[in-house]
Amino acid sequence: DAKTTQPNSMESNEEEPVHLPCNHSTISGTDYIHWYRQLPSQGPEYVIHGLTSNVNNRMASLAIAEDRKSSTLILHRATLRDAAVYYCILRDSSNTGKLIFGQGTTLQVKP
Amino acid sequence: DSGVTQTPKHLITATGQRVTLRCSPRSGDLSVYWYQQSLDQGLQFLIQYYNGEERAKGNILERFSAQQFPDLHSELNLSSLELGDSALYFCASSVDGGGWGNEQFFGPGTRLTVL
Repeated sequence: DAKTTQPNSMESNEEEPVHLPCNHSTISGTDYIHWYRQLPSQGPEYVIHGLTSNVNNRMASLAIAEDRKSSTLILHRATLRDAAVYYCILRDSSNTGKLIFGQGTTLQVKP
Repeated sequence: DSGVTQTPKHLITATGQRVTLRCSPRSGDLSVYWYQQSLDQGLQFLIQYYNGEERAKGNILERFSAQQFPDLHSELNLSSLELGDSALYFCASSVDGGGWGNEQFFGPGTRLTVL
């Protein structure tokens, strides 16, 4: 399973944009980039995923580098509720859906 | 609310005992996944079932076993429990068995404490 590297922690101010980076230099052509987050005392929650093109949904945007060796999760206006651990995960298109979690980035949002 | 239910919410037991954790997936989801989250190991994939059949295995100990029933609910059985098995156990479900796109929906977890 290809690995990802994320900063251990980041801080943001409420209502400001947040850019969470992820490096995945060993990504293969069939790996999709998935982001999940885990709020305190809850199970992980899907955020967004993409392959090559940038993606937007109601929760966030995903910017993928042209060489796909890195990506950035963008929260456009952080709220206190966005304080969580964010996981960047590579999923291949094999016949299983297992998620291999790394250490993730702990995002702190200050009021 | 993800639609995935897990019971019990908390479980306290003694070393050497056996417990069963239960998971009901979202309506229509055929895959069930089990994950373990401990302070030292983080979130680890244990096992996946798809429509009653084992699909993938991760770092699951031999003392642990799982199954998925015809109604698609799943049970994770943990036996000969050790102190180190104390952890949060999450169940997740997805529509299909793999591929690239489908998100997993996680339940609230079962907190297991082994004394």
